[in-house]
Amino acid sequence: GENVEQHPSTLSVQEGDSAVIKCTYSDSASNYFPWYKQELGKGPQLIIDIRSNVGEKKDQRIAVTLNKTAKHFSLHITETQPEDSAVYFCAASKGTNAGKSTFGDGTTLTVKP
Amino acid sequence: DAGITQSPRHKVTETGTPVTLRCHQTENHRYMYWYRQDPGHGLRLIHYSYGVKDTDKGEVSDGYSVSRSKTEDFLLTLESATSSQTSVYFCAISDLGTGEQYFGPGTRLTVT
Repeated sequence: GENVEQHPSTLSVQEGDSAVIKCTYSDSASNYFPWYKQELGKGPQLIIDIRSNVGEKKDQRIAVTLNKTAKHFSLHITETQPEDSAVYFCAASKGTNAGKSTFGDGTTLTVKP
Repeated sequence: DAGITQSPRHKVTETGTPVTLRCHQTENHRYMYWYRQDPGHGLRLIHYSYGVKDTDKGEVSDGYSVSRSKTEDFLLTLESATSSQTSVYFCAISDLGTGEQYFGPGTRLTVT
């Protein structure tokens, strides 16, 4: 089955700096790659996603890049703010088969004011 | 979390007792999922449903069963709770089953 590895497990940055979280996946048939943000005591929230026919996608301060050949994708957050502090999860899915997703283990991002 | 509720939000139970967690959605989405989240781990799929009375196993289904008699409700049952099932349980829904999932607020279950 699919295996998703996520790095780093913890990341601390100064406010205003950029943050990058990387994930690799094993199943070349995966074609949908979402990123979730989980705040303390809440459920994960979808913040951005990318499909395998696209190399990069941006939404204001966040962007996701995908390298299908290398089977890795990354989340980029620019101009970080304290409210960006949370746990971030990547996932991979075939986009069919009921949309079952395999998740990475999460990255705890701390943005220091 | 809009449109998805989970009940109870917190529960403490003893080893060997049955427990049922409920997920309720108002979005009329076809697909529903149960995940567990443990410290240092991502979310692991327990069971999912692709329609009323249509369910299937995920990667960590042992010790759990599910039922879906209505589009809006997906129940997760621990027939005989064990301490290893202490976890936070999340329900998720999806409209098209193409990957996008929306999560509920979670249920924290402690088995003593």
